[in-house]
Amino acid sequence: DQQVKQNSPSLSVQEGRISILNCDYTNSMFDYFLWYKKYPAEGPTFLISISSIKDKNEDGRFTVFLNKSAKHLSLHIVPSQPGDSAVYFCAASVTGNMLTFGGGTRLMVKP
Amino acid sequence: GAGVSQSPSNKVTEKGKDVELRCDPISGHTALYWYRQSLGQGLEFLIYFQGNSAPDKSGLPSDRFSAERTGGSVSTLTIQRTQQEDSAVYLCASSRGASQNIQYFGAGTRLSVL
Repeated sequence: DQQVKQNSPSLSVQEGRISILNCDYTNSMFDYFLWYKKYPAEGPTFLISISSIKDKNEDGRFTVFLNKSAKHLSLHIVPSQPGDSAVYFCAASVTGNMLTFGGGTRLMVKP
Repeated sequence: GAGVSQSPSNKVTEKGKDVELRCDPISGHTALYWYRQSLGQGLEFLIYFQGNSAPDKSGLPSDRFSAERTGGSVSTLTIQRTQQEDSAVYLCASSRGASQNIQYFGAGTRLSVL
């Protein structure tokens, strides 16, 4: 039973446009959500997070939106840059416990 | 150290051999996690340490897998009698404490069982 799902295995976007990566979850106990970025042969790098008491968190070009009623979160990257090309993982946790990851979405930003 | 350090970066072994994977967390981080990523899969939780104790071992796939942490720092993941399905990238992460949600990852150990 996958508790965190990323339904799009890949996404291709033109440089300068918006990238929207989506994530759905089923466990209503999750109270913290994170996005990680992963390059080949490297470990995941923390990107941005959001607590379940908020519905939006912004950090520079990256914004995460949380819709608790729909059990859905999304990551917006504006404007997208070629260096953003990587695999993006959505993760969720019950505070202080292990992270449950989605399967990842490969983002390709074309120059 | 500056980040989470894992060794070796790559390990090739024969089926049936034992392997040890090492993780050195960020200095001062009390919580340590092991995950693995099999080919084409997402990251799968294995075990969690708070200090030297392991309150959550629920992700270990079989009794061939064990882990320990000594001195509240370095952790070793041991896989006995390796099987081909153990081939994966094994990732270690650490965080400041049990109540801290952000985990910082090492580069992983790529294990190949022939």
